[in-house]
Amino acid sequence: DTGVSQNPRHKITKRGQNVTFRCDPISEHNRLYWYRQTLGQGPEFLTYFQNEAQLEKSRLLSDRFSAERPKGSFSTLEIQRTEQGDSAMYLCASSLAANEQYFGPGTRLTVT
Amino acid sequence: SQQGEEDPQALSIQEGENATMNCSYKTSINNLQWYRQNSGRGLVHLILIRSNEREKHSGRLRVTLDTSKKSSSLLITASRAADTASYFCATDAALGNAGNMLTFGGGTRLMVKP
Repeated sequence: DTGVSQNPRHKITKRGQNVTFRCDPISEHNRLYWYRQTLGQGPEFLTYFQNEAQLEKSRLLSDRFSAERPKGSFSTLEIQRTEQGDSAMYLCASSLAANEQYFGPGTRLTVT
Repeated sequence: SQQGEEDPQALSIQEGENATMNCSYKTSINNLQWYRQNSGRGLVHLILIRSNEREKHSGRLRVTLDTSKKSSSLLITASRAADTASYFCATDAALGNAGNMLTFGGGTRLMVKP
């Protein structure tokens, strides 16, 4: 399968714990994006990488959220000290330049 | 905040009928993309229409774009039960650092009854 993959698909965690999600983009895509989607809403942009450079991070929801793409391939999104309001679907997408963005299946986070 | 607004929020039709969904947006765009999402799943890219295009077709899909009215429509012809999903429009606007981001509307929930 050469699409965007995300792991884990589901994560249940207790409030206050840290969680990390992984995204593997389509191999030739140099751009990688993270979005968050809450129930009944459209996805909301969080951050963006071009190769290994994080070029937009002002829309991360708080300083508890951080993302990396150390070698310009896979990316991780970390949420520290999770809160119940962080429960959502976290989606990753990749693209080649400013073209169609292809989304992964998402990681569903439940904070109890 | 979400730029796009889809209309209607929900649509229920019989198999074989056509389904039309509309999207309005607020700011200038590079392109507009339509996505489908089955319940609890990721988004599937359907079609991209650039700001200098007015109409685009892909199989049973027809997308129009009117930049003067800041609106787009997605028409699905001869609908099938498998078309049941949520449909989102997303506007693609440039970020200042040569990147781009998608801004999604709230979606139209389409149900096609067999």
